[in-house]
Amino acid sequence: LAKTTQPISMDSYEGQEVNITCSHNNIATNDYITWYQQFPSQGPRFIIQGYKTKVTNEVASLFIPADRKSSTLSLPRVSLSDTAVYYCLVGDRNNDMRFGAGTRLTVKP
Amino acid sequence: GAVVSQHPSWVICKSGTSVKIECRSLDFQATTMFWYRQFPKQSLMLMATSNEGSKATYEQGVEKDKFLINHASLTLSTLTVTSAHPEDSSFYICSLGSGLETQYFGPGTRLLVL
Repeated sequence: LAKTTQPISMDSYEGQEVNITCSHNNIATNDYITWYQQFPSQGPRFIIQGYKTKVTNEVASLFIPADRKSSTLSLPRVSLSDTAVYYCLVGDRNNDMRFGAGTRLTVKP
Repeated sequence: GAVVSQHPSWVICKSGTSVKIECRSLDFQATTMFWYRQFPKQSLMLMATSNEGSKATYEQGVEKDKFLINHASLTLSTLTVTSAHPEDSSFYICSLGSGLETQYFGPGTRLLVL
């Protein structure tokens, strides 16, 4: 399973766009990139998943360069409620997921 | 996506007792479920993979005789913490993902062992 590296923490202000980058140099051909959000004392919640290029849904965008060795989660116009830990995971669909340290995002008023 | 529930949501027990945590898939038949443990301010750590109708697969360093996993049906997996001790106090989370595009996690169970 590919190992991921993310910044430990990030600060932002309400209304700003937040970009969290994840490095996964050893990503395999069959691996997908999935991002999860976790609030304290809750299970992780799926945000977005992609294989290559760009994926966008109602809450975020995921940018994946051609070499797939990194990915960037983009959260548009964050609010205080987006304060959480964000995890980047890489692996085959349906395989067990090994979590990295995650990025603790703090959104300030 | 799939809906996963856990019961209880929190439990307090005395040291030496056993605690059973249930993980249910409410709308999906899961042949595989995963159990994680999370200590405060830390990431999730995979404990074991629960396979319906067969023995669970445990991660290195996780005692299979202490953390008993039973996956008797396609919608229910249970984790029993036997002879719990204060160091077992943690947040236990299950997930299911087989046959789905991604994994779906339960809300977690907070265990406090006194």
